[in-house]
Amino acid sequence: GESVGLHLPTLSVQEGDNSIINCAYSNSASDYFIWYKQESGKGPQFIIDIRSNMDKRQGQRVTVLLNKTVKHLSLQIAATQPGDSAVYFCAESRTDSWGKLQFGAGTQVVVTP
Amino acid sequence: NAGVMQNPRHLVRRRGQEARLRCSPMKGHSHVYWYRQLPEEGLKFMVYLQKENIIDESGMPKERFSAEFPKEGPSILRIQQVVRGDSAAYFCASSAGQGSNQPQHFGDGTRLSIL
Repeated sequence: GESVGLHLPTLSVQEGDNSIINCAYSNSASDYFIWYKQESGKGPQFIIDIRSNMDKRQGQRVTVLLNKTVKHLSLQIAATQPGDSAVYFCAESRTDSWGKLQFGAGTQVVVTP
Repeated sequence: NAGVMQNPRHLVRRRGQEARLRCSPMKGHSHVYWYRQLPEEGLKFMVYLQKENIIDESGMPKERFSAEFPKEGPSILRIQQVVRGDSAAYFCASSAGQGSNQPQHFGDGTRLSIL
């Protein structure tokens, strides 16, 4: 399944399929990006990050892709599991305001059996 | 390893009262950040502190809100004379330093309800 940024806030994915969550950012000066996962009643959980001098980074079952030309960030989750059901946020920051993360509105991922 | 600890988890206040939210960062972390989250929205940055210093408070309302991170003890976010619009989840994050190899790690938040 694939979402298109903030225009499709809910993504339904069948268990075992790959998920793609998209995020468009507006600030061309942003140079650091993070994906967080937030489950109901909990705080955001760090998933993976990427600096602007990279275009791809892989973690365990997750891959983040960064396209600076079109200011687009995506998170790919391989073999989606029920435990992946959550809201996913992208966040960005700039070197000159390092501590200030700017969060997107989030995408709800629902994994169906 | 204990993560970021926030307390209380839930706080109920009446309009006009004061709310104090506490945050103990992860062990070894000296940088603390506060964010506010309204229902079905992303987190909004409020303030960034290091021990005894406010680094960036550009997201803090000018009145009624203050934050501190003393040399000893937890970071405190204080809201005076609370109003209904202050109802939200307040999250604290911490990091070991600045830089892209020092991501922010979040606590589970304090849910503030104003009656």
